[in-house]
Amino acid sequence: QKEVEQNSGPLSVPEGAIASLNCTYSDRGSQSFFWYRQYSGKSPELIMFIYSNGDKEDGRFTAQLNKASQYVSLLIRDSQPSDSATYLCAVKARGSTLGRLYFGRGTQLTVWP
Amino acid sequence: EAGVAQSPRYKIIEKRQSVAFWCNPISGHATLYWYQQILGQGPKLLIQFQNNGVVDDSQLPKDRFSAERLKGVDSTLKIQPAKLEDSAVYLCASAAWGTENTEAFFGQGTRLTVV
Repeated sequence: QKEVEQNSGPLSVPEGAIASLNCTYSDRGSQSFFWYRQYSGKSPELIMFIYSNGDKEDGRFTAQLNKASQYVSLLIRDSQPSDSATYLCAVKARGSTLGRLYFGRGTQLTVWP
Repeated sequence: EAGVAQSPRYKIIEKRQSVAFWCNPISGHATLYWYQQILGQGPKLLIQFQNNGVVDDSQLPKDRFSAERLKGVDSTLKIQPAKLEDSAVYLCASAAWGTENTEAFFGQGTRLTVV
C-alpha cells in the first residue's frame, strides 16, 4: 500500500474562515494528486487535481504541491456550511498512465455558521 | 452521460455466506477500480482493471475475494465466505484511459453488513 497520510482532524472552522487540509505521501515518484470531497453516506467526488509544484486555484479552493517535501494541501477560502464533509487526498502512483490511485483516510471538516 | 452504476445498494448477510456486487462503468472507460471503505476510513484499493486485465490486486484478500471484468465492461466482485470485518461500503470507480490526471468517477457504492 502506498502510504498517504492526512491530518487526522476533525477540523472545525467558523463560516468565512480558511480551512487548511494537509496530506503527505510516501512514494517519491508519485505523479498526480487529487482532492475528493465525500459527504456523509455519499460517494467521493473530485474537487481538484494538481501535478506541478506550486499552487493551483479554482474558485474558493487552492491546491498546493511540494514534491520535494512530498506534501500536498488544500485550502478552502470563505468556508461555507455546505463545505462540511470529509476531504480525501488521493495519489496516483509512479509511472502510471495505468492509474493506480491510492487514498488517505480523510479529514472531516465541519464549518459552523 | 450515465454515471457508474452499482448494485445492489445495500446487502445484509450472515457470516460465512457469499455475496456478489455488480458494477457497470461509464461507457468507454477502460480503467475500473474496486475500493473497500470501512466506516471512518478512506477507500482502500482492492483491485484495478485495465480493460479486462488486472493491473493491481495486491490488496485483494484472494482467499475469499474474487473479481472479474469480462469483455472489459461490467465487473463483479465476490466475497466467499464473508467475515464480520468485511462490513463496509464497496465502491466501484471508472476512468478513461489517458494521462495521469484522468479523473476517477465513483458509483453510489454497495453497503455490506455482515452479521
